[in-house]
Amino acid sequence: AQSVTQPDIHITVSEGASLELRCNYSYGATPYLFWYVQSPGQGLQLLLKYFSGDTLVQGIKGFEAEFKRSQSSFNLRKPSVHWSDAAEYFCAVGARAGGYQKVTFGTGTKLQVIP
Amino acid sequence: NAGVTQTPKFRILKIGQSMTLQCTQDMNHNYMYWYRQDPGMGLKLIYYSVGAGITDKGEVPNGYNVSRSTTEDFPLRLELAAPSQTSVYFCASSNGPGGETQYFGPGTRLLVL
Repeated sequence: AQSVTQPDIHITVSEGASLELRCNYSYGATPYLFWYVQSPGQGLQLLLKYFSGDTLVQGIKGFEAEFKRSQSSFNLRKPSVHWSDAAEYFCAVGARAGGYQKVTFGTGTKLQVIP
Repeated sequence: NAGVTQTPKFRILKIGQSMTLQCTQDMNHNYMYWYRQDPGMGLKLIYYSVGAGITDKGEVPNGYNVSRSTTEDFPLRLELAAPSQTSVYFCASSNGPGGETQYFGPGTRLLVL
């Protein structure tokens, strides 16, 4: 069974500082990996995804993530955080399960940005 | 192109009441999903559909029912509301299985008292 662990429930960073959000997954084969962002009162929006190929994936809003098979990780990074990045971030692993896409979400990391 | 829309945005139900959460997408996606989100628990899949007339259970289907008569609509029905169904409900759609991006609606916040 697939699973996702986001070890950090809450992270606080200063505006302009770098950011790394951790994500570890468990899956028997090469997974589909996603990062979604959820602003307060909103639905989830895809930041980036990895299927295969280059292990460094670029996403929207200046985010990137690196797939490391040996560490079963897919950490999200941003070199300089903006106040508008304050939100909750979800890592997810997806796989085709029969006729549909089974996506397992992590429990989320809430990001606070201080001036 | 509105994407995925959900109504209502917020609802209070009494125990034992029933209601339908509406979900519509205008992207002609075959795959649609219903999730519930509880604090600190991530999202859990309730039901999914791979096309009009085809639905199946996800991880937490008890207490819910769905139907899919058209490609666009995927309503979620709560027959006998219970406090345990207090949650935020998200509808999503995708163009296919596997690694396709899921597009989410803005959610419906439900409180059962």
